[in-house]
Amino acid sequence: QVQLQESGPGLVKPSETLSLTCTVSGGSISSDYWSWIRQPPGKGLEYIGYIYYSGTSDYNPSLKSRVTMSVDTSKNQFSLKLTSVTATDTAVYHCARVKDYGDSGWYFDLWGRGTLVTVSS
Amino acid sequence: EIVLTQSPGTLSLSPGERATLSCRASQSVSSNLLAWYQQRPGQAPGLLIYGASSRATGIPDRFSGSGSGTDFTLTISRLEPEDFAVYYCQQYGSSPKWTFGQGTKVEIK
Repeated sequence: QVQLQESGPGLVKPSETLSLTCTVSGGSISSDYWSWIRQPPGKGLEYIGYIYYSGTSDYNPSLKSRVTMSVDTSKNQFSLKLTSVTATDTAVYHCARVKDYGDSGWYFDLWGRGTLVTVSS
Repeated sequence: EIVLTQSPGTLSLSPGERATLSCRASQSVSSNLLAWYQQRPGQAPGLLIYGASSRATGIPDRFSGSGSGTDFTLTISRLEPEDFAVYYCQQYGSSPKWTFGQGTKVEIK
């Protein structure tokens, strides 16, 4: 079955760029939409953005000026870059698959376990 | 932005009891485009309910969702030990495309 695995540095310095990759195994990245969601320690969930294999994307307006997502179909991976990070960007970052339920909407039906990224000098 | 407010913050119940979780939206959720997720400690969230009342694949029928407009409810008819977790509601459609509630923790009494 399809599985998602996040990877990337667990520690990033303030003002630098956070870079994460999600590897999709057991299925093709070209068949769905893919998303990043984060969860600060002990807090709730925040949608960051989504991307389609063609490059079509959508970002949360609150993060849009700092976020870039990309897809590498040859590696079955998609990536997140978040620039100018501060301590408030410390969170567990999850990648997820977006499933289209037709008239019932789009939702996240498959998630990676998440990776903790701490922003600290 | 649609803000989702969940209540209560924590629900203390015993196995076998009924759990009723509330999610209230700051404005009407279009076409009932609302979901519920369960997150067990140390795990990623999992989709339970979508479209306000449809169970996701493999979700047991003790979980049910209801509501419309601005008021939605997740009901767990009889709590099993594995149901003690945090539950999030989520709306789809309004910018940002998805927003989540702050969560309700269901803990063992």
